Amino acid sequence: GAVVSQHPSWVICKSGTSVKIECRSLDFQATTMFWYRQFPKQSLMLMATSNEGSKATYEQGVEKDKFLINHASLTLSTLTVTSAHPEDSSFYICSAPKTGWESGELFFGEGSRLTVL
Amino acid sequence: RKEVEQDPGPFNVPEGATVAFNCTYSNSASQSFFWYRQDCRKEPKLLMSVYSSGNEDGRFTAQLNRASQYISLLIRDSKLSDSATYLCVVGGGNNRKLIWGLGTSLAVNP
Repeated sequence: GAVVSQHPSWVICKSGTSVKIECRSLDFQATTMFWYRQFPKQSLMLMATSNEGSKATYEQGVEKDKFLINHASLTLSTLTVTSAHPEDSSFYICSAPKTGWESGELFFGEGSRLTVL
Repeated sequence: RKEVEQDPGPFNVPEGATVAFNCTYSNSASQSFFWYRQDCRKEPKLLMSVYSSGNEDGRFTAQLNRASQYISLLIRDSKLSDSATYLCVVGGGNNRKLIWGLGTSLAVNP
């Protein structure tokens, strides 16, 4: 069964609204979670690394004020896309390493497909 | 040069065929290597890690060539269910990040 759960799977919103995506580790504690974005026919692009109890680390070119990340507990990280625009439409996926991140075995959420009208 | 490079394909093969994918990486300090599988509009799932000595899991064989900085994935006796995109992932190195390739698309035809 899934070890990382992501919600919602699909969301359609109007331009200018904010959308929150949740990522939960189900049977383990995740001090670190990763947020990715994937455009059609593109690879996964790391947006930010979410750290429990501290600020997220954003990749170059990712606006931290637009993509708000909160990792308030060891099992939950949230990504809020603020004032969404059509160009933010994408597949957003979270992941967490069950053991050390360097093991490379990341467990992914089911992904959230965002469409901004 | 991209940090991780894959032939995007698509590879169209008949059932039962053997198909091989290659992936090259640019950072010689990379420490960890993986193949993930991603089905259409789904999240990626780890297929196998790649070890220096090479490793096999059923019909899948992964190999690493550090000198030439490439890894490979061999799929024998292809099944229809093998149709997916195969992502090469390289980790470690100086910035301790996982870098994802664009993926190679495989279509196994009846």
